[in-house]
Amino acid sequence: GAGVSQSPSNKVTEKGKDVELRCDPISGHTALYWYRQRLGQGLEFLIYFQGNSAPDKSGLPSDRFSAERTGESVSTLTIQRTQQEDSAVYLCASSLARTSGGDNEQFFGPGTRLTVL
Amino acid sequence: KQEVTQIPAALSVPEGENLVLNCSFTDSAIYNLQWFRQDPGKGLTSLLLIQSSQREQTSGRLNASLDKSSGRSTLYIAASQPGDSATYLCAATNFGNEKLTFGTGTRLTIIP
Repeated sequence: GAGVSQSPSNKVTEKGKDVELRCDPISGHTALYWYRQRLGQGLEFLIYFQGNSAPDKSGLPSDRFSAERTGESVSTLTIQRTQQEDSAVYLCASSLARTSGGDNEQFFGPGTRLTVL
Repeated sequence: KQEVTQIPAALSVPEGENLVLNCSFTDSAIYNLQWFRQDPGKGLTSLLLIQSSQREQTSGRLNASLDKSSGRSTLYIAASQPGDSATYLCAATNFGNEKLTFGTGTRLTIIP
C-alpha cells in the first residue's frame, strides 16, 4: 500500500512569506506527527495528532507555527512570516494508535525541504 | 527529559564485516525504541522496533537489542554490504509521551 506522502518536496520562499506543507498519512493510521531536521542537527518533534484528541503542540518553536488535521487524514503545517532559521527538512510520520504493547511504529514520509531566502 | 546519544558519529568498515552501532538513553521508562536509516536527501526508513517488554528484534541481517536497565540499545549488522552505507538513527518514545526523541545518528560507510 501507499506510504506517507508529503508535498511539495521542495519549497523556496522569501523571508516574511507564509508557507503551507502537506502530509498524507498511511490510510488507517490515526496518529500523525511532524518533525523538523535542520542542517547538521538532529530531528526535533513539532506536533502530534491522535484521532479527535487535542493535539500535542509542545514542540512548536514559536506561535508562527501551526498545524491542522482533517479527521484522520491530511495534515497541513503552516509557518507564518518565515525566517531564515526556519530552513529545514520537515518530516511527517504516521502510526497506528498506541496500545499497551508498545507497537506503534512510526513511518515517515520523504519530507519537504524548505529554504527561506 | 529523555536524551538519546549515538557514538560514534561516523564509522567506516570494510565490506563483509559484522558491526555494532550503539545508542544510549537517559530515561529507562521507554515505551519502545526504533532504529531507522536515512539516505542522503531522503526520509527515514524504519528498520526495527523493539517494544519495552522485548529484549531484541531481528530482520534479515539486522538485530537490535534493548537493555533498559543500562539505558542502551545496539544495532548489529551482519555481513555488511556497500548498500548498508547510510546514517543510522535510534529514537525512543516514553510512557505518557508519543513523540520520538532521536539521537544524532551514526554515519556508516561500508568500504568495498
